[in-house]
Amino acid sequence: NAGVMQNPRHLVRRRGQEARLRCSPMKGHSHVYWYRQLPEEGLKFMVYLQKENIIDESGMPKERFSAEFPKEGPSILRIQQVVRGDSAAYFCASSPLDRSTYGYTFGSGTRLTVV
Amino acid sequence: TQLLEQSPQFLSIQEGENLTVYCNSSSVFSSLQWYRQEPGEGPVLLVTVVTGGEVKKLKRLTFQFGDARKDSSLHITAAQPGDTGLYLCAGNNYGQNFVFGPGTRLSVLP
Repeated sequence: NAGVMQNPRHLVRRRGQEARLRCSPMKGHSHVYWYRQLPEEGLKFMVYLQKENIIDESGMPKERFSAEFPKEGPSILRIQQVVRGDSAAYFCASSPLDRSTYGYTFGSGTRLTVV
Repeated sequence: TQLLEQSPQFLSIQEGENLTVYCNSSSVFSSLQWYRQEPGEGPVLLVTVVTGGEVKKLKRLTFQFGDARKDSSLHITAAQPGDTGLYLCAGNNYGQNFVFGPGTRLSVLP
């Protein structure tokens, strides 16, 4: 009965290091979405993936950020050479249908702090 | 780009009071959702509305979708401390990504 699982919950990285954030969608959900939330702000769309495919990455910065959702295993959001401005909460959501009209199930997020 | 505005940005009330928060856009949405987010957690879906003029009730929460499907309201009756949180609205159109508003941060004091 697991929901959307994200790990780690908290991640501290020094400037220039790489950050890897993992997301396992709800059982039966094959659509995964990544959002970023800055303090006191709403959620900003980053990328939408299905198994082995990136469907929409229009919200993801062109440099340093990448995402994948392999056939086996969790979805990974990767941030290379992190900078202080990357500090934020990163949320993963999943749905059983394509951009489901009926909303998403979110994980508890990964809070990235860049020092 | 579709944008959602929410008001008020912050709201602090006493337990037992009623309140209404708003979500507005200049764009039409095919569906609109309300989520509640507690500190340190992800948003939790409360309701989805899809029909203009639709009203949905969830215990003490009443959600309304505007006739033109551009706005929505959330009314809470007899608020309780457990209602404290960030209330987010999100809208989408068929085949498009969800757009989230900035949220209303509600604090219900005992």
